[in-house]
Amino acid sequence: EAGVAQSPRYKIIEKRQSVAFWCNPISGHATLYWYQQILGQGPKLLIQFQNNGVVDDSQLPKDRFSAERLKGVDSTLKIQPAKLEDSAVYLCASSFIKGYNSPLHFGNGTRLTVT
Amino acid sequence: AQSVTQPDIHITVSEGASLELRCNYSYGATPYLFWYVQSPGQGLQLLLKYFSGDTLVQGIKGFEAEFKRSQSSFNLRKPSVHWSDAAEYFCATYGSGNTGKLIFGQGTTLQVKP
Repeated sequence: EAGVAQSPRYKIIEKRQSVAFWCNPISGHATLYWYQQILGQGPKLLIQFQNNGVVDDSQLPKDRFSAERLKGVDSTLKIQPAKLEDSAVYLCASSFIKGYNSPLHFGNGTRLTVT
Repeated sequence: AQSVTQPDIHITVSEGASLELRCNYSYGATPYLFWYVQSPGQGLQLLLKYFSGDTLVQGIKGFEAEFKRSQSSFNLRKPSVHWSDAAEYFCATYGSGNTGKLIFGQGTTLQVKP
């Protein structure tokens, strides 16, 4: 099966600019996650979708970050305006259903550098 | 709340030597525990998982991990390390609420000397 696809792989922007990342999960996977991985740290969940509804966005900085999953398939994560501390790898993951015993499959991530 | 801690930020071993990466968990009941590996520029790949039952878990690429409740640990081991094992390793557990979200440790970077 095809894996989780993310684009772009790399992005360099200046602070206060906006940026968007795209994720296409594995076909048939209802649950989609966006994680932020700052250098030297483990990934941290930003937002979790079940189909096109939000399950958990408690750690999403909503003043600058937004995400959507229209039609319950692809998802877009946006940052506007970006700050230096947003430099990180943004990982998308999907699973068949939410909950235990449904393993997460990760994409290769988008590396964002904010200058 | 559930959490995992990886005490070692960086470990260097010689090729062919044995490896043990440490992970400690914080949770009252039996936790669900995972080890993931991340090679440079790649996403996270699941090495193994523990849900219940046999406390010694076998994974891919020759890795194994042992769940020890008395020590609140889930250490990852490999008897003989290969140069291709150089990567970052993450221990993880599920967050609360049965949503399936993972909570990761800080990671341990493994360097392999020839």
